Amino acid sequence: AQSVTQLDSQVPVFEEAPVELRCNYSSSVSVYLFWYVQYPNQGLQLLLKYLSGSTLVKGINGFEAEFNKSQTSFHLRKPSVHISDTAEYFCAVSATGGGNKLTFGTGTQLKVEL
Amino acid sequence: KAGVTQTPRYLIKTRGQQVTLSCSPISGHRSVSWYQQTPGQGLQFLFEYFSETQRNKGNFPGRFSGRQFSNSRSEMNVSTLELGDSALYLCASSFETGFEKLFFGSGTQLSVL
Repeated sequence: AQSVTQLDSQVPVFEEAPVELRCNYSSSVSVYLFWYVQYPNQGLQLLLKYLSGSTLVKGINGFEAEFNKSQTSFHLRKPSVHISDTAEYFCAVSATGGGNKLTFGTGTQLKVEL
Repeated sequence: KAGVTQTPRYLIKTRGQQVTLSCSPISGHRSVSWYQQTPGQGLQFLFEYFSETQRNKGNFPGRFSGRQFSNSRSEMNVSTLELGDSALYLCASSFETGFEKLFFGSGTQLSVL
């Protein structure tokens, strides 16, 4: 079984400041890693994913994440946030070969302020 | 290309009733997954269907069931509704399964009174 821990439930940040949203996972098997974003009253949208290869993954809207196998982490970063980045962010894992059975973290609410 | 369509958008039921939710995936997508989202439990996987076969199942009681039709449209059914079944039910589709981007619908908000 897999589990995901998102250490921060809320992260306030000023516009144009950098941000890091933390994600740690636990699994006894190889995993794929994902970050999804959810805007109010909408479904989830994929930001980026790590399947294999380079540990630095670039996604949409200027986000990137780094896979660290030794620390079992997959933190999400953005060098300069915008008001429109205000949303809830979910880290998720799936076992390789496990289909679309994703295990999600509890989410981090990113609030960007002027 | 139309996105994932879930109907209805909102639903109010009473305890003991049953409910059927519908999901139309993106054209050509063969995998449909269902997730339950609640403030207390977060996002939890219900089941996945791929080419009409249930591929995966989460840890939910047998009251939760689903199926997928030959056109990839999917339905999920909850029988004998309980107050705790109140949640946003999200459907997601993809062409393949396991490593692809999931496309999510906007969900069906179910309230059980």
